[in-house]
Amino acid sequence: QKEVEQNSGPLSVPEGAIASLNCTYSDRGSQSFFWYRQYSGKSPELIMSIYSNGDKEDGRFTAQLNKASQYVSLLIRDSQPSDSATYLCAVNMFSEDTGRRALTFGSGTRLQVQP
Amino acid sequence: DAGVTQSPTHLIKTRGQQVTLRCSPKSGHDTVSWYQQALGQGPQFIFQYYEEEERQRGNFPDRFSGHQFPNYSSELNVNALLLGDSALYLCASSRDRVLAGGFDEQFFGPGTRLTVL
Repeated sequence: QKEVEQNSGPLSVPEGAIASLNCTYSDRGSQSFFWYRQYSGKSPELIMSIYSNGDKEDGRFTAQLNKASQYVSLLIRDSQPSDSATYLCAVNMFSEDTGRRALTFGSGTRLQVQP
Repeated sequence: DAGVTQSPTHLIKTRGQQVTLRCSPKSGHDTVSWYQQALGQGPQFIFQYYEEEERQRGNFPDRFSGHQFPNYSSELNVNALLLGDSALYLCASSRDRVLAGGFDEQFFGPGTRLTVL
């Protein structure tokens, strides 16, 4: 049973469109949520962090959090071919295996922006 | 402002050997976390070091151990290497804050690609 779920994709959008990436998580007590971008062969790069319900905007990126629904999303406006990458959702979650909190990543959604 | 650095970039070992990977955190950061990332998967949390002690640990065997030095740099040691240990090993640094239970925004280094033959 995966604790952080993401659609693996690929999600294909045309240049200039809005890309919507979604993530669900299983721990209702989670308090911190992060989106990372990872280009092929590179390490993850932090895009956004969000801790409270609602929207948080940074440039072309908007993170949305709904703790009641255990759902976090990332919107990318005016998508560019350079946005083509894998987007990882990360959640600070309680692990039943270890009895501790750990930053748990989803497997990522691959985004393709078509010129 | 130097970001997170890791060494070496690539490493090839044989089964049963031991390996040490190194990480220097971003300036101003005092907390180091280590992750293992297999191909096509998200990073898996190994452990986190703060004030030279292991503060959190993921579901990894004792073959995986670490250390943090007074200058906040860190090492990851893996003993008795298995083929399944082949992966990208990532170090991430952050500032310790009460917020988020020790998992504030983390910034990753470039990683060490470990191949076990």
